[in-house]
Amino acid sequence: KNQVEQSPQSLIILEGKNCTLQCNYTVSPFSNLRWYKQDTGRGPVSLTIMTFSENTKSNGRYTATLDADTKQSSLHITASQLSDSASYICVVSAGGNNRLAFGKGNQVVVIP
Amino acid sequence: GAGVSQSPSNKVTEKGKDVELRCDPISGHTALYWYRQSLGQGLEFLIYFQGNSAPDKSGLPSDRFSAERTGGSVSTLTIQRTQQEDSAVYLCASSLAEARGYTFGSGTRLTVV
Repeated sequence: KNQVEQSPQSLIILEGKNCTLQCNYTVSPFSNLRWYKQDTGRGPVSLTIMTFSENTKSNGRYTATLDADTKQSSLHITASQLSDSASYICVVSAGGNNRLAFGKGNQVVVIP
Repeated sequence: GAGVSQSPSNKVTEKGKDVELRCDPISGHTALYWYRQSLGQGLEFLIYFQGNSAPDKSGLPSDRFSAERTGGSVSTLTIQRTQQEDSAVYLCASSLAEARGYTFGSGTRLTVV
């Protein structure tokens, strides 16, 4: 079973609308959680990174939340743009471990 | 360089041939990682380098896969006797420190025909 589960697997939204992506993880111990954006044919690019004590972090129109008690994170995209069409990957790092646990990604398609 | 550079960006090879994939990390980044991303799947860890040594190579799927890093910089991932199931995007990432985050290259798309 994957240690990081993301939902929905894919979604289509209208330009200008908001959307929320979910990430549930079982990784333990927990060090930090990152959201990456991966455009087609490109490598992942970091959007946010949160440690245990952080609940919310924003990067422009992207806002990530973290509930370390329930082991859930969300990424909220506000006023979506066509350029937001990408795969959004949730990555969880275990303390003292050099491995990262990757979700399979949320595939977002923004249509005009 | 300004980012992580991978080459080639695309590689088509015949089944049974050997291939070499190259990763040039950000200058000064001591940690280097190789991942594999198959269609519709999440990223799969392959190997981790700290400097020139590989403390964790447990993700390599078979003995056909090997990697080395020289001078604490460039890394080469070699796949011998390629199989069709090796077809994937191979991503390299480098990091100065785990807490500082990782920078990914654009990947090498390998197709074995």
